[in-house]
Amino acid sequence: SAVISQKPSRDICQRGTSLTIQCQVDSQVTMMFWYRQQPGQSLTLIATANQGSEATYESGFVIDKFPISRPNLTFSTLTVSNMSPEDSSIYLCSVKETNKQNTEAFFGQGTRLTVV
Amino acid sequence: AQSVTQPDIHITVSEGASLELRCNYSYGATPYLFWYVQSPGQGLQLLLKYFSGDTLVQGIKGFEAEFKRSQSSFNLRKPSVHWSDAAEYFCAVVSNDYKLSFGAGTTVTVRA
Repeated sequence: SAVISQKPSRDICQRGTSLTIQCQVDSQVTMMFWYRQQPGQSLTLIATANQGSEATYESGFVIDKFPISRPNLTFSTLTVSNMSPEDSSIYLCSVKETNKQNTEAFFGQGTRLTVV
Repeated sequence: AQSVTQPDIHITVSEGASLELRCNYSYGATPYLFWYVQSPGQGLQLLLKYFSGDTLVQGIKGFEAEFKRSQSSFNLRKPSVHWSDAAEYFCAVVSNDYKLSFGAGTTVTVRA
């Protein structure tokens, strides 16, 4: 199974600033996703990170607020821009391995973000 | 579009008692279904998954789940709960493009 490292694991940020979260996988993966888990809520998909092209965003999420990069098959970043307290959430990276017959998704430990 | 419903927001169970968490899905085709567990301050861990075949699926930590197409359900069970099973449990269904749709989650509290 893929091992996913997310950095930072947690952060407290001032409103109006931006934070970039890194997701590093120990193997090449076909697909990488970013999810948000607001306090006491379930997980919501933000976007699919596409290697070498712009990310595909879900309804309610836009590139200006959540720019995503994916320069290669093992690494992606999510930036939370111009943060407000409403952005306080856990952000999770998820991957699907290349050449696997099933659709199991693996998750990082998440980044717990608090905006003050 | 696919969706998942977990009717129970919070369940309290005594240590050693049995546990059943409900999950209902809505999906046009044969669903790929998952149960994940999230312990406090931790990420998500896969408990078990169903793709096809035997409708009773065995997972880690003594958990099992049964897929019932007629009821659109994929309920999670454990015969005897341990205090370490206190966590939040998420049922999820995956679409053709590998995106996961999660239920709202069920918080399990284990009392001594």
